[in-house]
Amino acid sequence: GQSLEQPSEVTAVEGAIVQINCTYQTSGFYGLSWYQQHDGGAPTFLSYNALDGLEETGRFSSFLSRSDSYGYLLLQELQMKDSASYFCAVRDRAAGNKLTFGGGTRVLVKP
Amino acid sequence: EAQVTQNPRYLITVTGKKLTVTCSQNMNHEYMSWYRQDPGLGLRQIYYSMNVEVTDKGDVPEGYKVSRKEKRNFPLILESPSPNQTSLYFCASSLNFGTGRFYEQYFGPGTRLTVT
Repeated sequence: GQSLEQPSEVTAVEGAIVQINCTYQTSGFYGLSWYQQHDGGAPTFLSYNALDGLEETGRFSSFLSRSDSYGYLLLQELQMKDSASYFCAVRDRAAGNKLTFGGGTRVLVKP
Repeated sequence: EAQVTQNPRYLITVTGKKLTVTCSQNMNHEYMSWYRQDPGLGLRQIYYSMNVEVTDKGDVPEGYKVSRKEKRNFPLILESPSPNQTSLYFCASSLNFGTGRFYEQYFGPGTRLTVT
């Protein structure tokens, strides 16, 4: 089976940097993706890592270490609009084409 | 505009009354999926479809049915809804795994279902 763990909540001030960790257990790992969801809205895709290393997209970066079964999403220069929930998701070989999401990390940005 | 649409957006129904939530995408995506979202439980996959006439169970399929007769549509059917199916439901689509864009799921706006 698969399981993902991420912190439930993180609070930070505008302009700060936040790192959201995601650890996973799968029987055959394909890749780790990240989604953002604002209250009342639908999840939107942020990034995807299949290989070790850092992927940067503007203020957001995502990192993966396959050997450690670990990844993180880095939010830089936090803005109020970044207040949202962030989910990591994985697919593994044993699960076929299912996608499993973590429980989500609620990020609260304060002035 | 590329999008996934769901209808209805809100629905209040009673136990046992069959209902269908429609989902349609205009991006020619092969992969479509249904999720439910409950507080503290994140997104859980109900069913998914790799292509027309190809469907498979996700993590929480009990009490749900799906069909994929056309590429663009993937309705979710609750034959006999029960209160524990009260939830927020999302439909999503993406290109298939072989394209490398599988993980870029496009989500519909959600359907908030209440079963009394």
